[in-house]
Amino acid sequence: ETGVTQSPTHLIKTRGQQVTLRCSSQSGHNTVSWYQQALGQGPQFIFQYYREEENGRGNFPPRFSGLQFPNYSSELNVNALELDDSALYLCASSLVGQNGETQYFGPGTRLLVL
Amino acid sequence: AQSVTQLGSHVSVSEGALVLLRCNYSSSVPPYLFWYVQYPNQGLQLLLKYTTGATLVKGINGFEAEFKKSETSFHLTKPSAHMSDAAEYFCAVTGYGGSQGNLIFGKGTKLSVKP
Repeated sequence: ETGVTQSPTHLIKTRGQQVTLRCSSQSGHNTVSWYQQALGQGPQFIFQYYREEENGRGNFPPRFSGLQFPNYSSELNVNALELDDSALYLCASSLVGQNGETQYFGPGTRLLVL
Repeated sequence: AQSVTQLGSHVSVSEGALVLLRCNYSSSVPPYLFWYVQYPNQGLQLLLKYTTGATLVKGINGFEAEFKKSETSFHLTKPSAHMSDAAEYFCAVTGYGGSQGNLIFGKGTKLSVKP
C-alpha cells in the first residue's frame, strides 16, 4: 500500500507566475484535501475534492483552483503568485471525506515566491 | 465557528519526564478531535483521534489524550519523553459547513527533549 505522494518537493517561482502542484492519493482513497502551511503556523484548509468535484473550500481566493482525476490524483493550481503564497502545501487523502475520518498527509511541496 | 488554541508555542522537557501539550477548542457541535505530529521537513502523521465513545484515547508512540467536554480540552500526554519525540505537534478539530472533512488546526507546539 503506497502512501500519499507529492511533487515537486521544492519549487521557486516569481511573483505573477503560475504554479501547479501534484498529489497522488493513498491507495483506495477517493477524497483529497489541500492545505497551506505558512512558516510557524498550522495548516489551513484550501479545498477538498471528492469524486472529481470540489466538496468544500476554505477562505482562499479563486486564483487557488484544483482538479481531481479519475484515478483520484489531484492538482493544486495557483495563478498570479504573491509573496504571501510562500508556504508548505500539504495534500491529504481519505476514504470519503466525512467528519471524523482520518486524513493521511503527504510530505508536502515547499513553494518559495520571490 | 470552530477554532483551536494550543497553549505554549514551545515546550521543553527532559528525557524521561512527563510530556503535556495543551489544546482547547471551541465548537458549537460535538467535535471530532485530532493530534498530529510533524517532524522536520515532513508531512503530518496522525497520533490519535477522538470521535465518539471512550474519552481517553490512546495513540501511537505511547501518547494519549483525554477529551473533556466541560473544559473544552483535548490535552496530549506521554508519561516519559524520549529524544525521538522532539517534533511539532498540532491539535485539530473537524470543521463544519462547506466541507464535511476539513480540519481546523492550532498553531502548533514545538516539543524539545533535553538529554
